[in-house]
Amino acid sequence: AQSVTQPDIHITVSEGASLELRCNYSYGATPYLFWYVQSPGQGLQLLLKYFSGDTLVQGIKGFEAEFKRSQSSFNLRKPSVHWSDAAEYFCAVAPGGSYIPTFGRGTSLIVHP
Amino acid sequence: GAVVSQHPSRVICKSGTSVKIECRSLDFQATTMFWYRQFPKKSLMLMATSNEGSKATYEQGVEKDKFLINHASLTLSTLTVTSAHPEDSSFYICSATTPGGPSYEQYFGPGTRLTVT
Repeated sequence: AQSVTQPDIHITVSEGASLELRCNYSYGATPYLFWYVQSPGQGLQLLLKYFSGDTLVQGIKGFEAEFKRSQSSFNLRKPSVHWSDAAEYFCAVAPGGSYIPTFGRGTSLIVHP
Repeated sequence: GAVVSQHPSRVICKSGTSVKIECRSLDFQATTMFWYRQFPKKSLMLMATSNEGSKATYEQGVEKDKFLINHASLTLSTLTVTSAHPEDSSFYICSATTPGGPSYEQYFGPGTRLTVT
């Protein structure tokens, strides 16, 4: 079975600084990988996904993620964080598109002014 | 588009009582809905998959007699926590997929905070 690890429970950055949220997965083959964001009072929203092809994927809200097979990682990045990016971020993995993703425990992003 | 709502957003109930949580797709028909449970600082745990007009499929370890799921229409699924106990206190989230849409393309509701006293 697949699993996903988000090693950081909290990440604090200053507004305007760059951001990287870590995600490592465990799966025998190349999985489908996702990043979701959960804002207070709102449902989870899909930021981006990777299936195959270019290992650097662009998402909404200025986020991108890079798939590194050798490191079993799919880290989320943003060059300049805005205060509105403060939220909970979840990495998820699935064996294929027809399967329901398995979620990591989430990383809480705190943005200082 | 693709908005999912949940009601109530918060509920407090006494131990031994039952509580119903509604999940609605507001602007699309959802043939499949999912129910998750989220513990503090924990990942979302899939409880069950609900298909309109048929019985829900529960994940291993989830008590189907305790967590009753009804998906009676294409826009409404309900989760009833029966004989609630304090350990059932949690954040419950539903999601839905559009007809023919992949399982990863889920539209999530805002969640319901259940507190059992």
